[in-house]
Amino acid sequence: NAGVMQNPRHLVRRRGQEARLRCSPMKGHSHVYWYRQLPEEGLKFMVYLQKENIIDESGMPKERFSAEFPKEGPSILRIQQVVRGDSAAYFCASSRNGGRSEAFFGQGTRLTVV
Amino acid sequence: SQQGEEDPQALSIQEGENATMNCSYKTSINNLQWYRQNSGRGLVHLILIRSNEREKHSGRLRVTLDTSKKSSSLLITASRAADTASYFCATALTQGGSEKLVFGKGTKLTVNP
Repeated sequence: NAGVMQNPRHLVRRRGQEARLRCSPMKGHSHVYWYRQLPEEGLKFMVYLQKENIIDESGMPKERFSAEFPKEGPSILRIQQVVRGDSAAYFCASSRNGGRSEAFFGQGTRLTVV
Repeated sequence: SQQGEEDPQALSIQEGENATMNCSYKTSINNLQWYRQNSGRGLVHLILIRSNEREKHSGRLRVTLDTSKKSSSLLITASRAADTASYFCATALTQGGSEKLVFGKGTKLTVNP
């Protein structure tokens, strides 16, 4: 049973470009979380999704950021018109039963905006 | 906003000593979870303690939960250099139908050989 897979591991984008981060949850998991982490800091909650539904996006900026978790395929975190301040590590986690069960994390995508 | 708050922010001990980290939270919870993160890597789940449990053990880890004080502690006994990592507590915050998992800022543990 493969773990949570995130790709790419590293992503470099120029200011103004779009960044697409992918997350394939563990088999049997229908709950996905996205977090952002700056160096030496904790994880900041961004969005919580279940299959085809956004449950809570209270941590996600209202502009330029969007997330989806389609019926088929990975969850996508999309950042449009990236700025230098978007540079961070983005982690995805999946769980079987939302916050009532343990979450499994991917290795993260390190986004660098130049 | 952050729900959990770990204390201390950083802890440095010698191999063989015990390490204790604390976590305080603000609202009612269904469970509290502890995770570990090695530098630059994804988080690894250590232990989950439910709101009706007071103590839980897993190997060299011992977690306590005091819901009246809204606090939890993680004890690592007989620490090893390989335990060097950041440790985070997480709570499942139930708001408006959402059960998002919210993390504290973490305790950075250094175990010196």
